[in-house]
Amino acid sequence: GAVVSQHPSWVICKSGTSVKIECRSLDFQATTMFWYRQFPKQSLMLMATSNEGSKATYEQGVEKDKFLINHASLTLSTLTVTSAHPEDSSFYICSVRGGGRSYNEQFFGPGTRLTVL
Amino acid sequence: QQPVQSPQAVILREGEDAVINCSSSKALYSVHWYRQKHGEAPVFLMILLKGGEQKGHEKISASFNEKKQQSSLYLTASQLSYSGTYFCGTGPSYGQNFVFGPGTRLSVLP
Repeated sequence: GAVVSQHPSWVICKSGTSVKIECRSLDFQATTMFWYRQFPKQSLMLMATSNEGSKATYEQGVEKDKFLINHASLTLSTLTVTSAHPEDSSFYICSVRGGGRSYNEQFFGPGTRLTVL
Repeated sequence: QQPVQSPQAVILREGEDAVINCSSSKALYSVHWYRQKHGEAPVFLMILLKGGEQKGHEKISASFNEKKQQSSLYLTASQLSYSGTYFCGTGPSYGQNFVFGPGTRLSVLP
């Protein structure tokens, strides 16, 4: 399976600032990465699909201008939460879709906990 | 559309068995099962594809009935390490994005 890292693992910021979260596929070239958000005691909700070299596909209800996604290489996708507010506080998790026989598997990063004061 | 999971929560004693169910109103191509510990990312358990497949890993197994559009996860002789929230994820067709169920919180007590 793929090994996925995220940075930072947690971040605390003031309301109105922007925060960038990195997702790296360490041993696998990922053309597709996914960004999820998870609120406490809730399920993972897909925010967007990040495609290498093209625009991300956002799920309904997710503001593309607020959650900027850049997938500039096969190993790195970034999520920038712009003008963050307390309601954006959540656990953000990225995942990589496997290749070959693992195409239907997802490999998750460790997550980034964002707290907006 | 999000699949439905039942029960929402279950408490077991170490060594007891449990079944977690996942069902969807849409036709399914595959069902995935993940376990998430508090504060951590989900960990992949297994995937089941069309064909009435059953899979197992140690004392955790699962079945998939695509006609009924449902899957069940079986935990046999549960261990303390089994505690966590179990999510099923469904993919309506090959290559489609995953949709996760609401989760089932499993607590195994000594």
